[in-house]
Amino acid sequence: GQNIDQPTEMTATEGAIVQINCTYQTSGFNGLFWYQQHAGEAPTFLSYNVLDGLEEKGRFSSFLSRSKGYSYLLLKELQMKDSASYLCAVSERGATNKLIFGTGTLLAVQP
Amino acid sequence: GAGVSQSPSNKVTEKGKDVELRCDPISGHTALYWYRQSLGQGLEFLIYFQGNSAPDKSGLPSDRFSAERTGGSVSTLTIQRTQQEDSAVYLCASSLRDEQYFGPGTRLTVT
Repeated sequence: GQNIDQPTEMTATEGAIVQINCTYQTSGFNGLFWYQQHAGEAPTFLSYNVLDGLEEKGRFSSFLSRSKGYSYLLLKELQMKDSASYLCAVSERGATNKLIFGTGTLLAVQP
Repeated sequence: GAGVSQSPSNKVTEKGKDVELRCDPISGHTALYWYRQSLGQGLEFLIYFQGNSAPDKSGLPSDRFSAERTGGSVSTLTIQRTQQEDSAVYLCASSLRDEQYFGPGTRLTVT
């Protein structure tokens, strides 16, 4: 079956570092995406991992281990505007490239 | 250029009525996806269009749901005989390769 797990909520302090974990079990794997979604808005792309390892992009980094079915999103130097839901999504192998999403992690950044 | 646009932004309808939701993808994007986001749930894949290929309808929850894409561009998602459980935000996304770009969504409320 398909299962993507991530924590429901997290709280962190402005200026700190936070790591949001995602574990997945899917019938196929093409790659893993992280999206950010502010309340009432569309999800926006953050990162895409296909191979094992760490991808760094400014304050945000994403890590993937395909053998462990595990990814994390690392946010550094947290800002208040980073308060949002972070969605982990797996692209399954096949022609469709449809995304299977987790329920998202609601991150609250406190002063 | 313009991003993915959707209309209407909000739709309130009575149970049993039919509704049509529209999506205008980014110009040149060959793939178009519909997802549904219910309260407290992750994004749920509904249907996928790629060029002139037959659509992947595997995510449509019932035969009351249908979608078409005219001329490889604009798409319409139709829900017939709406039920209260159809209340959700319906998101459209388009892509050229791997990254999917989402529209702002249509919030559907069935009373």
